[in-house]
Amino acid sequence: DQQVKQNSPSLSVQEGRISILNCDYTNSMFDYFLWYKKYPAEGPTFLISISSIKDKNEDGRFTVFLNKSAKHLSLHIVPSQPGDSAVYFCAASGGLGNAGNMLTFGGGTRLMVKP
Amino acid sequence: DAMVIQNPRYQVTQFGKPVTLSCSQTLNHNVMYWYQQKSSQAPKLLFHYYDKDFNNEADTPDNFQSRRPNTSFCFLDIRSPGLGDAAMYLCATSRDLGGQTQYFGPGTRLLVL
Repeated sequence: DQQVKQNSPSLSVQEGRISILNCDYTNSMFDYFLWYKKYPAEGPTFLISISSIKDKNEDGRFTVFLNKSAKHLSLHIVPSQPGDSAVYFCAASGGLGNAGNMLTFGGGTRLMVKP
Repeated sequence: DAMVIQNPRYQVTQFGKPVTLSCSQTLNHNVMYWYQQKSSQAPKLLFHYYDKDFNNEADTPDNFQSRRPNTSFCFLDIRSPGLGDAAMYLCATSRDLGGQTQYFGPGTRLLVL
C-alpha cells in the first residue's frame, strides 16, 4: 500500500517555463512534507519542506503547495533551468509511534528541462 | 563542505563475500539512517540509530546489520551479499526524530558479482 504516490514518472518542460510536480498521500496523520532532488549516482538533496500548519512555502525558484483536504502537494519550479533536470522525490512523515518519525517516499518523477 | 560522507562511492563484492559500507557525518546529528535504493525506486529504509538505540525495520533481512560506534560513524554490514542486494545504499542523518529533515550522503553503489 503506497501511502505517498507520484503518479507522473516523468515530466518534460521547456527552459524558462514552469515545472509542476505533483504528489498525493493517503495517510491523514502525515504532518510534514519534503521534496528531494536526486541526480544520477548521487544521494537525494533536500530542496524544500512544509508542515501541515501551512499551505505554501517558498524558497527562491521553488514553491511547495499543500492542500490538506485533497491530501495533495505540489512543487513549482519557476523558471525551470536545464540544471533542474533530475529525479524529484516527495516524502512525508507524521503519525503515532516510531513509524511516525520515519519518512515515507514517493516513487519519484523524472524532470527533463529542455534548453 | 561535505556533511554526510559515504565511502566508498562504488563497491564491488563477490556473491556471499561479506562487505561493509561506511558513513560519517559532521552535523552532530542524533539520528543516522541506512536506505537501500534500486533503480529509480523510492529509497527503502533498512534501519536507523537514535544515538545508540538501534531500530530495525520489520522487513529488513537478517543479512543486513549495522553498527554505530560513535555519533559520527555508522556502518552497514552485509554478511552474505546476494545478487539481489546490488543497489545504491544511502546514509542519511537528522537532528532528531519526528518531522525532521533528513540529509543524505552521496550513496555507495554496490555491485555483486
